[in-house]
Amino acid sequence: QAVVTQEPSLTVSPGGTVTLTCGSSTGAVTSGHYPYWFQQKPGQAPKTLIYDTSNKHSWTPARFSGSLLGGKAALTLSGAQPEDEAEYSCFLFYSGSRVFGGGTKLTVL
Amino acid sequence: QVQLVQSGAEVKKPGASVKVSCKTSGYSFTSYIIDWVRQAPGQGLEWMGWINAGTDYTKYSQMFQGRITITRDTSTTTVYMELSSLRSEDTAVYYCVRYNNFDYWGQGTLVTVSS
Repeated sequence: QAVVTQEPSLTVSPGGTVTLTCGSSTGAVTSGHYPYWFQQKPGQAPKTLIYDTSNKHSWTPARFSGSLLGGKAALTLSGAQPEDEAEYSCFLFYSGSRVFGGGTKLTVL
Repeated sequence: QVQLVQSGAEVKKPGASVKVSCKTSGYSFTSYIIDWVRQAPGQGLEWMGWINAGTDYTKYSQMFQGRITITRDTSTTTVYMELSSLRSEDTAVYYCVRYNNFDYWGQGTLVTVSS
């Protein structure tokens, strides 16, 4: 089974910009992996922010964006807010299966 | 409105099985896939498998192959996830999710495996 990798933790200043990445042990991440990004706060169910690399749900704040960057999927947060402090997870599709990354704990400080 | 409502918390002994339900409403049940995802305490999310509620086709993670069965009941628009041969490492919150860009999640069901 493929392994999906994320940074364990990142810190961003309020108002700052940060990029989280999602890599695959099988090689470059492409649009064919249909990358997803999720936000999860303590005690809550995950919330899907981004699907199919860069598409947003109606509830996704405009400051979040998804892309492919340097062979990985990327989630960029521009203009971080205190309420963005959370765990962010990605997953990738592999022939009908899905594999989650280990998650990135994002601190806004 | 779309809702996925899961069954309540469970406590099981090692070696037992657990069956978690996900009652759906507010949309055409047979038009969507339902995924199951779990999260052990302090750990990341783990994908378990999915079922096409229309065709009854299932796909399971290799990590659970042989222990997991996902079924659906079209008359009650409910999806079930059964996990057998439970061990302490299966203690987790289990979520059902509608695969329409993963737009709706159940509230989660805590399964505790303890002797």
